Amino acid sequence: QKEVEQNSGPLSVPEGAIASLNCTYSDRGSQSFFWYRQYSGKSPELIMSIYSNGDKEDGRFTAQLNKASQYVSLLIRDSQPSDSATYLCAVNGVRAGNNRKLIWGLGTSLAVNP
Amino acid sequence: EAGVVQSPRYKIIEKKQPVAFWCNPISGHNTLYWYRQNLGQGPELLIRYENEEAVDDSQLPKDRFSAERLKGVDSTLKIQPAELGDSAVYLCASSLNRDSPLHFGNGTRLTVT
Repeated sequence: QKEVEQNSGPLSVPEGAIASLNCTYSDRGSQSFFWYRQYSGKSPELIMSIYSNGDKEDGRFTAQLNKASQYVSLLIRDSQPSDSATYLCAVNGVRAGNNRKLIWGLGTSLAVNP
Repeated sequence: EAGVVQSPRYKIIEKKQPVAFWCNPISGHNTLYWYRQNLGQGPELLIRYENEEAVDDSQLPKDRFSAERLKGVDSTLKIQPAELGDSAVYLCASSLNRDSPLHFGNGTRLTVT
């Protein structure tokens, strides 16, 4: 099992719909969770960070963390064509020997169709 | 606040040539990261600094890659000699500490011919 897994997509949603992006992780001791958006040819940009179970909302974005089930999701409400990008999940505190590391998923490609 | 600054933005070199990348992190950020990213892949950590100390360089190909972080602020990443497989985007990121979110620079797109 990969340490951090995401569905590569592409996930295609119509404009105005809710886009749901999921990420699972293997280390129960993981401590913090981040969602980044990356446009083609650009660097990753932080969208959300979440540290405790439950939902965290910021504008049209909601991050949901369930540590018992070891998943973190990102919901994008009222999806816009400008949301079309790759969304990267990053999990901090993943055990690697005696250290804990930040591990990245491969990303989910989202396409919002006008 | 000013973001992470990287230079150059693009670099094209022939194989076996040396190349260097420079990064200036966000002021006050103690942790600095160098990542490599290939198309369609997530970022791959090359090295992480806590202040001036390299605390994780397990993925750095030490036969040809080297890095330094002067006085715990700016950092340089060097490849000598470059190989065709080194073509990628090299990203620098910084964070307040190892538990905080990362902020990325614009990256350097390296093409080795």
